[in-house]
Amino acid sequence: EVQLVESGGGLVKPGGSLRLSCAASGFTFSSYSMNWVRQAPGKGLEWVSSISSSSSYIYYADSVKGRFTISRDNAKNSLYLQMNSLRAEDTAVYYCARDPRIPPVNWYFDLWGRGTLVTVSS
Amino acid sequence: SYVLTQPPSVSVAPGQTARITCGGNNIGSKSVHWYQQKPGQAPVLVVYDDSDRPSGIPERFSGSNSGNTATLTISRVEAGDEADYYCQVWDSSSDPVVFGGGTKLTVL
Repeated sequence: EVQLVESGGGLVKPGGSLRLSCAASGFTFSSYSMNWVRQAPGKGLEWVSSISSSSSYIYYADSVKGRFTISRDNAKNSLYLQMNSLRAEDTAVYYCARDPRIPPVNWYFDLWGRGTLVTVSS
Repeated sequence: SYVLTQPPSVSVAPGQTARITCGGNNIGSKSVHWYQQKPGQAPVLVVYDDSDRPSGIPERFSGSNSGNTATLTISRVEAGDEADYYCQVWDSSSDPVVFGGGTKLTVL
């Protein structure tokens, strides 16, 4: 089955760190660009970061630049998001999502995981 | 950065047609993608590249894009179509992926 499964969310204090993981299965993970998208409680979708298939190209939203780091391990079919200096406004469900086009053009996301909740609170 | 504007809510009776708009400066020059999100679930792609449908998405879902407005049209609306809908584009600005604020579709 083609799927993405996120893990690693939880409760963390402001200023703390957390590492999210996304396990891919059912497709050739190493061929696709991957993304993190988040959704604060009761709010809309917000793109966070993107990484190309070979990790050559990496992009971040201005809201997380300098604090978050995206990475991937194609041998393990896994995507990661290292989140440092967390703030209350980073509280959200974090989804990993696949861009289906190779190479990506006019990016969009055809496969999403169920998400993992990150809560930043003292 | 590029801004996409959606109405917060749209209501429609079952069997009627729902139209959800997404406004942006010269959005007709961009490719617009649409997602459906039901409560507690991940988003699902329903239209990409303005008007293409992924496999498994009913023909009742269609899209158009011209000028400053893109539109997602849902024909013969069913109770199961009740959800939040988001438009999205790629933009060559500081944040390359931009989502609209979302529209809650209510089936009366």
